[in-house]
Amino acid sequence: NAGVTQTPKFRILKIGQSMTLQCTQDMNHNYMYWYRQDPGMGLKLIYYSVGAGITDKGEVPNGYNVSRSTTEDFPLRLELAAPSQTSVYFCASSYGVGLKSYEQYFGPGTRLTVT
Amino acid sequence: LAKTTQPISMDSYEGQEVNITCSHNNIATNDYITWYQQFPSQGPRFIIQGYKTKVTNEVASLFIPADRKSSTLSLPRVSLSDTAVYYCLVGANQAGTALIFGKGTTLSVSS
Repeated sequence: NAGVTQTPKFRILKIGQSMTLQCTQDMNHNYMYWYRQDPGMGLKLIYYSVGAGITDKGEVPNGYNVSRSTTEDFPLRLELAAPSQTSVYFCASSYGVGLKSYEQYFGPGTRLTVT
Repeated sequence: LAKTTQPISMDSYEGQEVNITCSHNNIATNDYITWYQQFPSQGPRFIIQGYKTKVTNEVASLFIPADRKSSTLSLPRVSLSDTAVYYCLVGANQAGTALIFGKGTTLSVSS
């Protein structure tokens, strides 16, 4: 299993540009999450999904959109990028039910700079 | 979600045992205590989870006193590769729960 994969690894955007961060997991997990981590800080939840076709906002959803058309993929869309969105973005997934439903598996992250 | 407090940083030498304590005075009855590890430029990785007393796995041990208002992550005989940020999280043991990461404890291991 590749686990959770994210592309791209790095990206520089100009203010006002848009982009999609890709996330794919091959563990057949129902739950998927997007977090952002600012320098020296903990992670903050942007959006999450409990299954295909179902998404919900997290703590910091403004400026982002998500979709979940398949179990495997959970792309994060940035519209009209702003310098405040400069951060490292992590995608994660977890089982929906069962003993290890609490354990989240993280991807390697996408480092985004908006200038 | 219960707030957690842990030291900002700790230093250790290779071969030593490292204990990182986390305070969570407002822990709820159905909350579990979970620890994640994060290496530079990587996503967090689950280490261990417990509810009460002691839990041990191949990576670490987690000690939780009876009142559950604190917990201690114990890393036996650390090596340079254990240099990382360690996060203590407290919350319900269920999928879909947002993980609230604080600043964590930066552990630096020297030779």
